[in-house]
Amino acid sequence: LAKTTQPISMDSYEGQEVNITCSHNNIATNDYITWYQQFPSQGPRFIIQGYKTKVTNEVASLFIPADRKSSTLSLPRVSLSDTAVYYCLVGDPNSGGYQKVTFGTGTKLQVIP
Amino acid sequence: DTGVSQNPRHKITKRGQNVTFRCDPISEHNRLYWYRQTLGQGPEFLTYFQNEAQLEKSRLLSDRFSAERPKGSFSTLEIQRTEQGDSAMYLCASSLVAQRETQYFGPGTRLLVL
Repeated sequence: LAKTTQPISMDSYEGQEVNITCSHNNIATNDYITWYQQFPSQGPRFIIQGYKTKVTNEVASLFIPADRKSSTLSLPRVSLSDTAVYYCLVGDPNSGGYQKVTFGTGTKLQVIP
Repeated sequence: DTGVSQNPRHKITKRGQNVTFRCDPISEHNRLYWYRQTLGQGPEFLTYFQNEAQLEKSRLLSDRFSAERPKGSFSTLEIQRTEQGDSAMYLCASSLVAQRETQYFGPGTRLLVL
């Protein structure tokens, strides 16, 4: 499964847009990119998933360039409650148990008042 | 609330004791995963079930660890002869076998081995 690289941490002020980039140079043709959010003492929560170009939902947007070797999670107008760890996963969600991978260390986002 | 539930939420035990954790997945979900998470790290895959069949186990899952899902519903994870290195958060997730599978995680069981 494709390995991902993310920044270890990021700081942002409330109300700003935050972009977290994930590198996945070895992404395979059938792989999708999935982002999870985790608050302290809670399990990860699915945020968004995409294959190419742009995906948007009520929480975030996901930008994937044509070569798919990276992706960017965009959180609009963050609030203090968005302080969490964000994980980028790459794999084929149509294969059996594709998420049996290590999430990596993720990106710890700290939102500052 | 019909999300994934885990019990107990916290467990403190002495080294050498056995512990058992339970996970109740979302009712219609046929896949169930166990992960372990230590401080500052992301979740690490341990094992997963499809219905009652245990399809894969990580090399992280030593002989002291055993997981079951007897009726394809709830699952238990047992750790025998606990060691201090077993101290971690144990997470359960469930999913529905479908196109573009997405996992839903429980709140976890935090284990402290003294």
